[in-house]
Amino acid sequence: NAGVTQTPKFRILKIGQSMTLQCAQDMNHNYMYWYRQDPGMGLKLIYYSVGAGITDKGEVPNGYNVSRSTTEDFPLRLELAAPSQTSVYFCASTEYQETTNEKLFFGSGTQLSVL
Amino acid sequence: QKEVEQDPGPLSVPEGAIVSLNCTYSNSAFQYFMWYRQYSRKGPELLMYTYSSGNKEDGRFTAQVDKSSKYISLFIRDSQPSDSATYLCAMNKAAGNKLTFGGGTRVLVKP
Repeated sequence: NAGVTQTPKFRILKIGQSMTLQCAQDMNHNYMYWYRQDPGMGLKLIYYSVGAGITDKGEVPNGYNVSRSTTEDFPLRLELAAPSQTSVYFCASTEYQETTNEKLFFGSGTQLSVL
Repeated sequence: QKEVEQDPGPLSVPEGAIVSLNCTYSNSAFQYFMWYRQYSRKGPELLMYTYSSGNKEDGRFTAQVDKSSKYISLFIRDSQPSDSATYLCAMNKAAGNKLTFGGGTRVLVKP
């Protein structure tokens, strides 16, 4: 049971480059999320999706884009990388039900450096 | 001011001691409270979940919520070196809403 799989684990980008962070889950979860984690700052929500074809902005969406064409996949796109996007990125998923206990399943993260 | 405040630590304790962690929050609309544990270079994992005020116990872990003071706590009894991790509090206003996380407290349990 793979859970939430993120690739790549590490990446160094030059300013202005683009890349896609991949996220896939095999638990048939409807909700998926992208967070970034900066030291001492907790997790900030970038984008989220409540199902295939539906995405919405979180608190820090600028500089990022997402798509959700299938239930399983939720890629995060950085178009013009900036040093401020240096961070650790986590993808998470959950199966929302009215009585859910808010258990998010997280991937192991992508450490991104923009130089 | 952040919506959820958490002391970053590190909090260093000897093996067997009680670890006491807490978060304060400013928004009285928060109803659901969680604690996540995050090992180095790993994603967070849910440790405890509580709804509204009161206590909840699970093995060596006890979560407390005091909504009147906007204060939540996590206690770890008989701490072990394997408890060394960062502990993040999280909360939301309704089931299925987006979570708001604290900054995390790093805990070191020394043998």
